[in-house]
Amino acid sequence: GESVGLHLPTLSVQEGDNSIINCAYSNSASDYFIWYKQESGKGPQFIIDIRSNMDKRQGQRVTVLLNKTVKHLSLQIAATQPGDSAVYFCAENMDKGYSTLTFGKGTMLLVSP
Amino acid sequence: DGGITQSPKYLFRKEGQNVTLSCEQNLNHDAMYWYRQDPGQGLRLIYYSQIVNDFQKGDIAEGYSVSREKKESFPLTVTSAQKNPTAFYLCASSPGQGGRQPQHFGDGTRLSIL
Repeated sequence: GESVGLHLPTLSVQEGDNSIINCAYSNSASDYFIWYKQESGKGPQFIIDIRSNMDKRQGQRVTVLLNKTVKHLSLQIAATQPGDSAVYFCAENMDKGYSTLTFGKGTMLLVSP
Repeated sequence: DGGITQSPKYLFRKEGQNVTLSCEQNLNHDAMYWYRQDPGQGLRLIYYSQIVNDFQKGDIAEGYSVSREKKESFPLTVTSAQKNPTAFYLCASSPGQGGRQPQHFGDGTRLSIL
């Protein structure tokens, strides 16, 4: 089937490297952010989230950094593995008369053994 | 295991035909969502429902319809008015209104035109 990764920015790393995936968000009023991982032909899978009263949050092998001054979000993956190869999306909450998540276009991460 | 089930995985539509995509969740979540995903694009919200018997249009509702008669079910109908229906459709749910909490996704339905 057609890949969701067509025409996406791509980050290529070697197994064992640390990966950093960046995301610029649009709304300075957004107060909640989330990262998802999407493998080909599957639905997005929650990785980690962060609220705007924090600038860093850590999970298992992943860290999310939030810089509200420049409206920038990053996802760091430590010791990247081939199984981490996927498309990664950031999302922010946005009030458009209703409160929901607005998703970025994604970055494809390719991990070589 | 709790989760979201979408069916079918692949669906084909003829010209002028309406088709319905199924979404069922056993997470006991109040809110449910339908998104459309095109290659190289982010997810775009079609419809959402915060509670049974209530639903609201998202950003790209034209050509689509939904119902929410049961908490666990939120089917999406792609009508013949949707002129470019080929896409990957994703259903999601969250415990409450979804702006400040994770949404949990199914594995999608890929719709193509015959």
